Amino acid sequence: GIQVEQSPPDLILQEGANSTLRCNFSDSVNNLQWFHQNPWGQLINLFYIPSGTKQNGRLSATTVATERYSLLYISSSQTTDSGVYFCAVANYGGSQGNLIFGKGTKLSVKP
Amino acid sequence: EPEVTQTPSHQVTQMGQEVILRCVPISNHLYFYWYRQILGQKVEFLVSFYNNEISEKSEIFDDQFSVERPDGSNFTLKIRSTKLEDSAMYFCASSEYGGIQETQYFGPGTRLLVL
Repeated sequence: GIQVEQSPPDLILQEGANSTLRCNFSDSVNNLQWFHQNPWGQLINLFYIPSGTKQNGRLSATTVATERYSLLYISSSQTTDSGVYFCAVANYGGSQGNLIFGKGTKLSVKP
Repeated sequence: EPEVTQTPSHQVTQMGQEVILRCVPISNHLYFYWYRQILGQKVEFLVSFYNNEISEKSEIFDDQFSVERPDGSNFTLKIRSTKLEDSAMYFCASSEYGGIQETQYFGPGTRLLVL
């Protein structure tokens, strides 16, 4: 089945810094979503982005489907951005409609 | 904005007991999912449900698990005889038509602890 790899596994930032999180996937995808898991364990939808670029406030994401990767950018990070960021994908060939998650990037933003 | 809700937020149970986790998907959504996340690990698919029947299930979803839509709003996951290894966060999700090319919206999760 499709493999999803996220990097880096851990990231520590000072408040105000910018960061880029990467998601590589092993096959073509028809669905790609980014999530933020907050310290309470809740999964927050950030983006649905199987291709192209989207922005929402300080967050933006770009997926280059032909090269099988997606990037999540966080600008001017805040302590509330701390948590784990997951990339999840689905495709017709393997996972059907079910999302396959990566292992996540754990982000810690220090004040 | 409509959202998926789940109850309870936390549940503690004894090994061998039955538990029912409840979800209310977004009202006009037709496709429902359960995922789980063992502490410190990645989120894994359990089962998808459409038109009152299971659409797909993973290897994790064995005979101890069942799903049901008992009425027009609720979607439940039952674990018949819980094991220690069932301790995890369980997420319900829904999507409007079940197409791959649409957003799955996740609920806040139920944290299950089996003692």
